[in-house]
Amino acid sequence: KAGVTQTPRYLIKTRGQQVTLSCSPISGHRSVSWYQQTPGQGLQFLFEYFSETQRNKGNFPGRFSGRQFSNSRSEMNVSTLELGDSALYLCASSLWPSYEQYFGPGTRLTVT
Amino acid sequence: AQTVTQSQPEMSVQEAETVTLSCTYDTSESDYYLFWYKQPPSRQMILVIRQEAYKQQNATENRFSVNFQKAAKSFSLKISDSQLGDAAMYFCACENNNDMRFGAGTRLTVKP
Repeated sequence: KAGVTQTPRYLIKTRGQQVTLSCSPISGHRSVSWYQQTPGQGLQFLFEYFSETQRNKGNFPGRFSGRQFSNSRSEMNVSTLELGDSALYLCASSLWPSYEQYFGPGTRLTVT
Repeated sequence: AQTVTQSQPEMSVQEAETVTLSCTYDTSESDYYLFWYKQPPSRQMILVIRQEAYKQQNATENRFSVNFQKAAKSFSLKISDSQLGDAAMYFCACENNNDMRFGAGTRLTVKP
């Protein structure tokens, strides 16, 4: 089975721009979660989707949003980028919520 | 939301020896799940072990085992017969209601 894939792997954006990151879960997995990883803040939960519904959201501003499609693929969007948004964004999928999560390789976002 | 604390930023172990990584958590929920994830230098997170809070028996996965003390809210990871490939960042996580929270991580070095 193919693992979780994330595109793009690397991205450089300018302050004020917006960005969309994509995540394709493992086939059959219906739950997708997003995390932000930075050296200073560690791994922080962004949101979780199951069957196209956002079931939980971490403590991030409204500039961070996401969605999940009927094929379980998910996207996250960050609008009005700030320097502090530079991070590794990880996507993880699981068969059901609370099952073990399988992580993708991440998207490294650099905001200049 | 739950919080997870890993008090050891760095640990080292001699190859073939045993090391224990500490983790404490705080949650007001009675139904939750605990995980240890490993993130090798290549950055892809891998699940090491999973524990359901309602199970008293400690989870074991080959050389990896946990010591789950529910009353103390402690969830330590023991790695036996350490191998060079065990070198990585180890993250403890607590999941409840589709919300996964991670500790700051422990960087494990394995000395040959």
